[in-house]
Amino acid sequence: KQEVTQIPAALSVPEGENLVLNCSFTDSAIYNLQWFRQDPGKGLTSLLLIQSSQREQTSGRLNASLDKSSGRSTLYIAASQPGDSATYLCAVLNTGGFKTIFGAGTRLFVKA
Amino acid sequence: DVKVTQSSRYLVKRTGEKVFLECVQDMDHENMFWYRQDPGLGLRLIYFSYDVKMKEKGDIPEGYSVSREKKERFSLILESASTNQTSMYLCASSSRTAYHEQYFGPGTRLTVT
Repeated sequence: KQEVTQIPAALSVPEGENLVLNCSFTDSAIYNLQWFRQDPGKGLTSLLLIQSSQREQTSGRLNASLDKSSGRSTLYIAASQPGDSATYLCAVLNTGGFKTIFGAGTRLFVKA
Repeated sequence: DVKVTQSSRYLVKRTGEKVFLECVQDMDHENMFWYRQDPGLGLRLIYFSYDVKMKEKGDIPEGYSVSREKKERFSLILESASTNQTSMYLCASSSRTAYHEQYFGPGTRLTVT
């Protein structure tokens, strides 16, 4: 059974710092992996999607990497800003499955 | 822009009440999902629908039912609300050709007292 774990559960950094959020999954037979952002009391917004055949995806200051063999993904945020404060969730879709499995998220706070 | 709307942002109900949560999407998506989100547990799939009148159970369907009479609308029903169903409920939709690209609604925070 696929399990997705995100560490740390919460992170507080000063503005301008580069940071890495971690995601690990137990079953490497994934179709894709997504990173989402969730603002307090809101729904999820997709940030980056990495297909199983890809190693990384970039969007602006965000870079997500995928290492299927080790069951890990990282989300790198460059030059963090207070507006980046949110919860970041990692989710995987298994090959041949229809259920997206979500991690519990990392709550990020960027201090001005 | 894809828009997924949910009927209420906040809802307070009493134990034993029948509760309806409505979700509407405007992009003609075939797939619709209901999740609940609890601290430390992430999102868990309650039910999934891939077409009108079609449904599949997710990981935690107990205590819930769903209805999809029209393509754009997916309803989650709590037959007899209980305090352990206090949670954030999120609806999502996606197209058949891009199943994984789920678009989420803003969520309904349900409190059962």
